Amino acid sequence: KAGVTQTPRYLIKTRGQQVTLSCSPISGHRSVSWYQQTPGQGLQFLFEYFSETQRNKGNFPGRFSGRQFSNSRSEMNVSTLELGDSALYLCASSFRVGGELFFGEGSRLTVL
Amino acid sequence: AQSVAQPEDQVNVAEGNPLTVKCTYSVSGNPYLFWYVQYPNRGLQFLLKYITGDNLVKGSYGFEAEFNKSQTSFHLKKPSALVSDSALYFCAVRGHYTGNQFYFGTGTSLTVIP
Repeated sequence: KAGVTQTPRYLIKTRGQQVTLSCSPISGHRSVSWYQQTPGQGLQFLFEYFSETQRNKGNFPGRFSGRQFSNSRSEMNVSTLELGDSALYLCASSFRVGGELFFGEGSRLTVL
Repeated sequence: AQSVAQPEDQVNVAEGNPLTVKCTYSVSGNPYLFWYVQYPNRGLQFLLKYITGDNLVKGSYGFEAEFNKSQTSFHLKKPSALVSDSALYFCAVRGHYTGNQFYFGTGTSLTVIP
């Protein structure tokens, strides 16, 4: 069974640009969560989607948004990038909301 | 408020010695507790979980964790550490009344010294 797939793995952007990250969950998993990981802050919860609906949202500005498609694949978007957005963005899928999380390898974003 | 604390940023242990990585939690109602491990430039991998039942939970790679309700702790343990256990370890909690959101600790970096 294929795991959680995140693309791209690495990307470099400049301040003010926007970025879209993609996550394909494990087959059969309908819940997708996104986390931002930085050395100083640890894992910070961004949002969780289930059946194309946002179920939970963390404390991030509106520049951070996401969506989920009918095939459970999810994307997150960050607009007007800031230097502080440099981080590892992790996607996790689960069979149901609150179920055990299975993580992808992450997308490492560097903002210059 | 729900939260998880990992009081040690760094734990060093000699190969072959027992290891403990500490975790305490705060959550409304009965907790669901998890341990994950992260190797450099990788995602998090599930190690074990406590939902209910026996307070001693056994997981992957010889790890186990003990749930202590009175001390609100869920410490990760292994009887004999391997150099390959060196990694970043995260404790996580999910409560019943928080919209099922997970809360992660800040992580503990474990170094096993040969």
